[in-house]
Amino acid sequence: SQQGEEDPQALSIQEGENATMNCSYKTSINNLQWYRQNSGRGLVHLILIRSNEREKHSGRLRVTLDTSKKSSSLLITASRAADTASYFCATRRDTGRRALTFGSGTRLQVQP
Amino acid sequence: NAGVTQTPKFQVLKTGQSMTLQCAQDMNHEYMSWYRQDPGMGLRLIHYSVGAGITDQGEVPNGYNVSRSTTEDFPLRLLSAAPSQTSVYFCASSSSGTAPDTQYFGPGTRLTVL
Repeated sequence: SQQGEEDPQALSIQEGENATMNCSYKTSINNLQWYRQNSGRGLVHLILIRSNEREKHSGRLRVTLDTSKKSSSLLITASRAADTASYFCATRRDTGRRALTFGSGTRLQVQP
Repeated sequence: NAGVTQTPKFQVLKTGQSMTLQCAQDMNHEYMSWYRQDPGMGLRLIHYSVGAGITDQGEVPNGYNVSRSTTEDFPLRLLSAAPSQTSVYFCASSSSGTAPDTQYFGPGTRLTVL
């Protein structure tokens, strides 16, 4: 079963606008990660936020985590056409194996 | 470093055939895993390994075998291919170093079973 579920499933914006994607999960986690996948390619790690962190920044990316609501959001500011991709959240549970559980992804289209 | 490499990139099999998907990493990572990605979905874990000689099952292990005789290689074997195994397969690795949970993915193998 999918641990994380992203919302929306698809998002289309204009270049320069901000893009916000949300992720909800079901069980207690050790950390939550966001990955990007360009069409036909493998996944690339973007950012990791631990369960004791509330917000993290990396360049134009801002991630928040609310463990009480079991949710996270990814904000991409000043989007570019090159940001067009699918974005996945992935969670590592707080016990057991290091394996990640992925959501079904948000497809982001940035129009030039 | 080449990172995580996978071969082949594409493969077509007939139902009942067997094959091995190859995965190798040159980063000396202990942890390696195999995922499958079906259209419009996220990745689901098939098998994983925490080191040479140690493997375990993920969410969807049926129909697949793995072994880990070296740190570098983690092949995935399809025993008797079925159309339900048509998917894109990704191998990933991570270390227990400074970023223990960051996974590095290979480019994927697109498998079609007729």
